[in-house]
Amino acid sequence: ETGVTQSPTHLIKTRGQQVTLRCSSQSGHNTVSWYQQALGQGPQFIFQYYREEENGRGNFPPRFSGLQFPNYSSELNVNALELDDSALYLCASSLDGRGPSSYGYTFGSGTRLTVV
Amino acid sequence: AQSVTQLDSQVPVFEEAPVELRCNYSSSVSVYLFWYVQYPNQGLQLLLKYLSGSTLVKGINGFEAEFNKSQTSFHLRKPSVHIRDTAEYFCAVSDSGGYQKVTFGTGTKLQVIP
Repeated sequence: ETGVTQSPTHLIKTRGQQVTLRCSSQSGHNTVSWYQQALGQGPQFIFQYYREEENGRGNFPPRFSGLQFPNYSSELNVNALELDDSALYLCASSLDGRGPSSYGYTFGSGTRLTVV
Repeated sequence: AQSVTQLDSQVPVFEEAPVELRCNYSSSVSVYLFWYVQYPNQGLQLLLKYLSGSTLVKGINGFEAEFNKSQTSFHLRKPSVHIRDTAEYFCAVSDSGGYQKVTFGTGTKLQVIP
């Protein structure tokens, strides 16, 4: 059984650019959630995708968007990058729209994005 | 809206000593409470959760936490820590209606000293 895989592990972008982060969910999971973890902070919920549709969203602007594919993998896209977007972006997979209260909710190790 | 406060950003403790990581929350409605652990270069893992019932909750790796409604606290404890417990620990809260939107605290780094 494979866990959650995120790519790339590290990324440096320039302010104003666009970035795409990728996540492969754990085998058997059909739900993917994305979080932003700024330095010294806890993770903040961005959104969740279940059956290829957005299934909940946190307080993030529309320039944060996502996709889920038929194989349940997912992408997080951020447009018009700002310096404050520098953070660790975590992906988590689960079953049937479940959230982080479930013991089966599995986090990846994240993508470290630096915006300069 | 709910919030979580973890007052201690770092807690050093000697191996085999007991440890308590403090967590206080605020919410206008009933809450569910969680503790997560994040080992270096890894994602978060759920340690334990309080949903209802007994206020003393036991989790994995020998950790336990006690829900205290009057003090709005959910402190995490372990009677004897190991080197492998060195990690960052996050307290989190969710209202009873939205498991997806869990609010995390800022984390406490537990450093176990040999």
